[in-house]
Amino acid sequence: GAVVSQHPSWVICKSGTSVKIECRSLDFQATTMFWYRQFPKQSLMLMATSNEGSKATYEQGVEKDKFLINHASLTLSTLTVTSAHPEDSSFYICSAIPPNQQIYGYTFGSGTRLTVV
Amino acid sequence: GQSLEQPSEVTAVEGAIVQINCTYQTSGFYGLSWYQQHDGGAPTFLSYNALDGLEETGRFSSFLSRSDSYGYLLLQELQMKDSASYFCAVRVSSASKIIFGSGTRLSIRP
Repeated sequence: GAVVSQHPSWVICKSGTSVKIECRSLDFQATTMFWYRQFPKQSLMLMATSNEGSKATYEQGVEKDKFLINHASLTLSTLTVTSAHPEDSSFYICSAIPPNQQIYGYTFGSGTRLTVV
Repeated sequence: GQSLEQPSEVTAVEGAIVQINCTYQTSGFYGLSWYQQHDGGAPTFLSYNALDGLEETGRFSSFLSRSDSYGYLLLQELQMKDSASYFCAVRVSSASKIIFGSGTRLSIRP
């Protein structure tokens, strides 16, 4: 149990375009999901907390108009990188909290490697 | 501010035991967890400590001392597949927000 699916696993886009990344909890409902960003050989940096039915909470320094988050249902959160630039190239990972987090911990999606050219 | 400190790299021999330490300074504390991440992959959950003491799960054990703001991950009977990065993470809010440490890259030698 406690599976989170993330799609796409990788994407290449042109500078100036937008990219949408989906995060789904497959076998549990998640009122809260988290979006992280990871540069090579670095830690996971929390970007925002996605709340079902309400606005996302962004971490300091993260541009909310650039990284649009929508959590329209209890099983789906999306991150849209708008007007992407090469410096946005990174590994984006979502996580969700299953009901029994003591056993499952925070379950992560498989990640999306974004390359902006 | 929030900070979680871990050694950046650790090297050990196959079959041995290794301990990865984590010290933290956070605005809130609800628990310490550990994650494993292989290159190119997503983090996978290893263990969680909300209270002081030792938690054992197979070859992995995790320890927490809240008074010392300190924890460690102990890996026994090391296998080559344990070569990966290990992150400690602190749950800093009741809303389950977690902050990750800088990560420790564990290399296993035959």
